[in-house]
Amino acid sequence: AQTVTQSQPEMSVQEAETVTLSCTYDTSESDYYLFWYKQPPSRQMILVIRQEAYKQQNATENRFSVNFQKAAKSFSLKISDSQLGDAAMYFCAYRSAPKGPELVFGKGTKLTVNP
Amino acid sequence: NAGVTQTPKFQVLKTGQSMTLQCAQDMNHNSMYWYRQDPGMGLRLIYYSASEGTTDKGEVPNGYNVSRLNKREFSLRLESAAPSQTSVYFCASSEFPRGGYEQYFGPGTRLTVT
Repeated sequence: AQTVTQSQPEMSVQEAETVTLSCTYDTSESDYYLFWYKQPPSRQMILVIRQEAYKQQNATENRFSVNFQKAAKSFSLKISDSQLGDAAMYFCAYRSAPKGPELVFGKGTKLTVNP
Repeated sequence: NAGVTQTPKFQVLKTGQSMTLQCAQDMNHNSMYWYRQDPGMGLRLIYYSASEGTTDKGEVPNGYNVSRLNKREFSLRLESAAPSQTSVYFCASSEFPRGGYEQYFGPGTRLTVT
């Protein structure tokens, strides 16, 4: 079974600075999708960014980008120019392409943004 | 366009009581899901419905039943609530059950079983 590990239970960053959240996963599959979800205090789960395993190019969405290292099974999230509204729990998730449909989540990283 | 809605937002039950969590989506998605989130954990899949008329077990189905009432609605029932079912429950939907299709989540239901 696939597992997703987020080794940083908590992280903090100063407003306007850059922070990187780590995620590693374990799988024997070659075709899969990886996601980062944000969960603010409102509890709403919001998709931040998505990466297809067959794409070598790292995904980018405005201030959010990933560093996808397929051989190392690593999928880190970089947040640039951090804003107060970025404070939230961040979850890394894995989905098998051939099997699906569930998302396998890590335990999350709580990000604090200091003014 | 409300997305995914869930009712109720909060609920307190006594051990042995039953209840149904309701979920509806207005995005015309084929697939719907129920997850639970426990403290310090990510979400875990309870049940899912790949398409109208079908349901399948996820990782943690024991103690739950589901009904895909129509394309829009997917309910989760606890027949005899136990304290171990104290959790936050999320409903989600996606266009299709596989691939990179985004799952859209509802706001969650916080359930406490005493």
